[in-house]
Amino acid sequence: QKEVEQNSGPLSVPEGAIASLNCTYSDRGSQSFFWYRQYSGKSPELIMFIYSNGDKEDGRFTAQLNKASQYVSLLIRDSQPSDSATYLCAVNKAGNNRKLIWGLGTSLAVNP
Amino acid sequence: EAGVAQSPRYKIIEKRQSVAFWCNPISGHATLYWYQQILGQGPKLLIQFQNNGVVDDSQLPKDRFSAERLKGVDSTLKIQPAKLEDSAVYLCASSPGTAGVEQFFGPGTRLTVL
Repeated sequence: QKEVEQNSGPLSVPEGAIASLNCTYSDRGSQSFFWYRQYSGKSPELIMFIYSNGDKEDGRFTAQLNKASQYVSLLIRDSQPSDSATYLCAVNKAGNNRKLIWGLGTSLAVNP
Repeated sequence: EAGVAQSPRYKIIEKRQSVAFWCNPISGHATLYWYQQILGQGPKLLIQFQNNGVVDDSQLPKDRFSAERLKGVDSTLKIQPAKLEDSAVYLCASSPGTAGVEQFFGPGTRLTVL
């Protein structure tokens, strides 16, 4: 089992819909969870992070964390074509010297 | 605030040649990371520095890759000799040394080994 798993996609949604991206992790000691967006040919860009169980909202983005079930998700409301990118999930374990464990990413396509 | 700077942006070399990449992190960031990202995959950590000390280099192919961070600021990553499978994007990231583990990435260097 990989430490951080994501569905590679592509996930295709129509413009204006809600895109739901999921990530599961194997280490129960994980404490910090990050979502990065990576456009083709560009470097990853941090869009959300979450430390506590529950939801965290920032504009059209909502991160959801469930430590008991070991998953973290990212919801994108009112999806726009400009949201089309690969979304990378990254996880930090306690006492792990700020090292992030990365998923392979989920490709999202928002169709006009 | 200036972001993470990297150079060069692109490099094409032949196998068995050597190449070096440079990174300047965000001012004040104590932690610096070098990643290798192959197309379609997530970033793979090569080496992590805390100030000028190595924290993790477990996935660095030490027979051909080396990295240094003199004076705890700029860093260089070298490959000598390069192999075809080293073709990838090399990303540098930095993180504040105290609070939080968020990492901020530079634009990357795209290496092609022929």
